[in-house]
Amino acid sequence: GAVVSQHPSRVICKSGTSVKIECRSLDFQATTMFWYRQFPKKSLMLMATSNEGSKATYEQGVEKDKFLINHASLTLSTLTVTSAHPEDSSFYICSAQPGLAPETQYFGPGTRLLVL
Amino acid sequence: GENVEQHPSTLSVQEGDSAVIKCTYSDSASNYFPWYKQELGKRPQLIIDIRSNVGEKKDQRIAVTLNKTAKHFSLHITETQPEDSAVYFCAASKREYGNKLVFGAGTILRVKS
Repeated sequence: GAVVSQHPSRVICKSGTSVKIECRSLDFQATTMFWYRQFPKKSLMLMATSNEGSKATYEQGVEKDKFLINHASLTLSTLTVTSAHPEDSSFYICSAQPGLAPETQYFGPGTRLLVL
Repeated sequence: GENVEQHPSTLSVQEGDSAVIKCTYSDSASNYFPWYKQELGKRPQLIIDIRSNVGEKKDQRIAVTLNKTAKHFSLHITETQPEDSAVYFCAASKREYGNKLVFGAGTILRVKS
């Protein structure tokens, strides 16, 4: 149980284009999902908290117009990197919290984004 | 806000030996402390967690201890195996903070056979 999927697993795009990443909880409902960014050999940096049916809460320094988050249902959250630049290249990981264990976060497999 | 420090940054042990990774946290209101294992290019996987009303928890070769007074918690891996080699992250959260996890910097564990 507690499986989280992410799609795509890797994507290469040109500067200026937008990229959408999907995060799904496959066998549980998640009222809260989180989006992280991870640089090579570094820890996970929380970007935003996504709550179903409401606006995402962004961490300090994260541009909400750059990283659009939508939590359309209890099993799906999306992160759209708009007008991508090479410095947006990174490993993006989502996590989801099952309602019955509100503190526990299960992570998706991550999306490796390369912006050329 | 919460700050989590993790030590050591790298740890090499011989197969069969024990490994200990330590974390300290700053916010005494934090009440949930998970440990994640991450292999290269893979997702972080929850290996054990502990809540603030418990001092110790064990799952086969893995154990976590929590000292609320000193605000530190530790991961203990016994009888290490080569497949334990990975990066380990500790984290802390509290319900009042929306259960957001604050991660330590990570420990690279290498188990030499």
